[in-house]
Amino acid sequence: SAVISQKPSRDICQRGTSLTIQCQVDSQVTMMFWYRQQPGQSLTLIATANQGSEATYESGFVIDKFPISRPNLTFSTLTVSNMSPEDSSIYLCSVEGATEAFFGQGTRLTVV
Amino acid sequence: DQQVKQNSPSLSVQEGRISILNCDYTNSMFDYFLWYKKYPAEGPTFLISISSIKDKNEDGRFTVFLNKSAKHLSLHIVPSQPGDSAVYFCAAYAQKLVFGQGTRLTINP
Repeated sequence: SAVISQKPSRDICQRGTSLTIQCQVDSQVTMMFWYRQQPGQSLTLIATANQGSEATYESGFVIDKFPISRPNLTFSTLTVSNMSPEDSSIYLCSVEGATEAFFGQGTRLTVV
Repeated sequence: DQQVKQNSPSLSVQEGRISILNCDYTNSMFDYFLWYKKYPAEGPTFLISISSIKDKNEDGRFTVFLNKSAKHLSLHIVPSQPGDSAVYFCAAYAQKLVFGQGTRLTINP
């Protein structure tokens, strides 16, 4: 199994500002994943972060809005840029095990 | 296009009875299915999974059934306990994990 620490656990931000979410894993992993869960919706994959290369973004998500860093095999950050109220969601990082995915506790973001 | 659907946003079950959570999918390329449970302010935790080559997998009180012809899977919890109250997500894997919208299960004492 993997233990994932994610912070902050929640934040309230002003529109137009940016927030960086950190994700730390207790073991080295090749890929880390960032998800978003909008209110009442399913978890949606934002991007896959590989160490040493640019993140791969899913349809509907762009690097300018959600820049990702992956400086080493245990750490990643997701930045939500130029926030609007529509960005209010729970953001989760995740890693894959042999048979399942493991998730951080999530960052609940409210944009006012 | 919602490839994984949980059509019941909520479900209420009496303690001790069986809880049945349902999930439908549209993509026939999905070959691995998982159920996650999520408590408020926590990340999803893995419950049980099933490969497309099986039709049933059991782990204690939790059983997942897969009907490939109907593209339907279900999670049975029996007996239901108050601690089972949470949001349950089904997920399917082809090249990436795709999640349903979740079903909020409430177990009433």
